[in-house]
Amino acid sequence: AQSVTQPDIHITVSEGASLELRCNYSYGATPYLFWYVQSPGQGLQLLLKYFSGDTLVQGIKGFEAEFKRSQSSFNLRKPSVHWSDAAEYFCAVGDNQAGTALIFGKGTTLSVSS
Amino acid sequence: EAGVVQSPRYKIIEKKQPVAFWCNPISGHNTLYWYRQNLGQGPELLIRYENEEAVDDSQLPKDRFSAERLKGVDSTLKIQPAELGDSAVYLCASSPRQGGTDTQYFGPGTRLTVL
Repeated sequence: AQSVTQPDIHITVSEGASLELRCNYSYGATPYLFWYVQSPGQGLQLLLKYFSGDTLVQGIKGFEAEFKRSQSSFNLRKPSVHWSDAAEYFCAVGDNQAGTALIFGKGTTLSVSS
Repeated sequence: EAGVVQSPRYKIIEKKQPVAFWCNPISGHNTLYWYRQNLGQGPELLIRYENEEAVDDSQLPKDRFSAERLKGVDSTLKIQPAELGDSAVYLCASSPRQGGTDTQYFGPGTRLTVL
């Protein structure tokens, strides 16, 4: 069965420091992978996605993620965190076959300290 | 382009009362999803529509939950009667392509509190 693991429930990073949020997935075929961000009281906003091709994908707000098939990982990175990045981040996996819903991890809450 | 619209944004009800949530997807999007997000968890699918057809409702608690998508556009999710455990955020999402995985665009959600 498909599953997504986000090992870190809560991370605190200093403003201006780099960030890496971990995501591991379990899936039998080539997955479609997504990172979403959710601010308090808001819906989920897509940061970036990986369907195929270049394993390093660029997203909005300066985020990037790297797909590593050998490690079943899709970690999210940002070189310099801003206070406005404080939010909850969700990694999700989708089936590349005919339409299934996304399977989400439990999320990582990011706090940014000044 | 307008995003996914949901209403109401917040709802507080007593247990055993009925409640309904409404979703208007992005124009032209064939696929519509309803997810439930419990506190501290990621969203989990309740039901998926391709146009007006419910193609995956295996996770919908059919004894109390129902959904419809009239004319393949707007959708309504209903709970009757609500239980304390139904307190959650109900998210609607839509995607443009019918069949296959595509990017899903989420609405702001409806936060339901059952007292």
